[in-house]
Amino acid sequence: DQQVKQNSPSLSVQEGRISILNCDYTNSMFDYFLWYKKYPAEGPTFLISISSIKDKNEDGRFTVFLNKSAKHLSLHIVPSQPGDSAVYFCAASDGNNNDMRFGAGTRLTVKP
Amino acid sequence: NAGVTQTPKFQVLKTGQSMTLQCAQDMNHEYMSWYRQDPGMGLRLIHYSVGAGITDQGEVPNGYNVSRSTTEDFPLRLLSAAPSQTSVYFCASSPTVGYGYTFGSGTRLTVV
Repeated sequence: DQQVKQNSPSLSVQEGRISILNCDYTNSMFDYFLWYKKYPAEGPTFLISISSIKDKNEDGRFTVFLNKSAKHLSLHIVPSQPGDSAVYFCAASDGNNNDMRFGAGTRLTVKP
Repeated sequence: NAGVTQTPKFQVLKTGQSMTLQCAQDMNHEYMSWYRQDPGMGLRLIHYSVGAGITDQGEVPNGYNVSRSTTEDFPLRLLSAAPSQTSVYFCASSPTVGYGYTFGSGTRLTVV
């Protein structure tokens, strides 16, 4: 069963605009959420995370929002740059479980 | 500072062959794990280790063995390769479970 879902396989935005990537989860025990970015032929790289005690975490152009009641999180990239073009994975874990679950990924393309 | 090093980068096996995928990290991380990435499935946890001498199964452990004799190394063994094990394999490490993982660049395995 896929406990972390990214329902949009791809997203295309214009340079300078906002990119919004979405992620839903089903396991209410998850309390720590992460976003990873992956370029072709490379491993994923950690981008930003958020604990369930927060509803927002910001790091430069990247902001993650968490809506616990809806079991939904999103990653906002503002402004989007061509170098942001990559596959973005959402991941979730609970504090007592070593099993971090990943979504299927969303391919973001930022057009110049 | 190499981070997480995986070897080989590419491998073709015949059905029934065995092999070991190597993973080494130089960050003194206690937590290490193996994931496989398949199209539309995201990253799925195979096995993980919270320290030398301690390993446990993840979401998809069948057909794979691991051991952790040192903090630095976490090899993944395929006992008898099957076409269903064709995938890209990633090794990851972290100071602790659930923290932002550092991933290796991956091993692309094809079983024919």
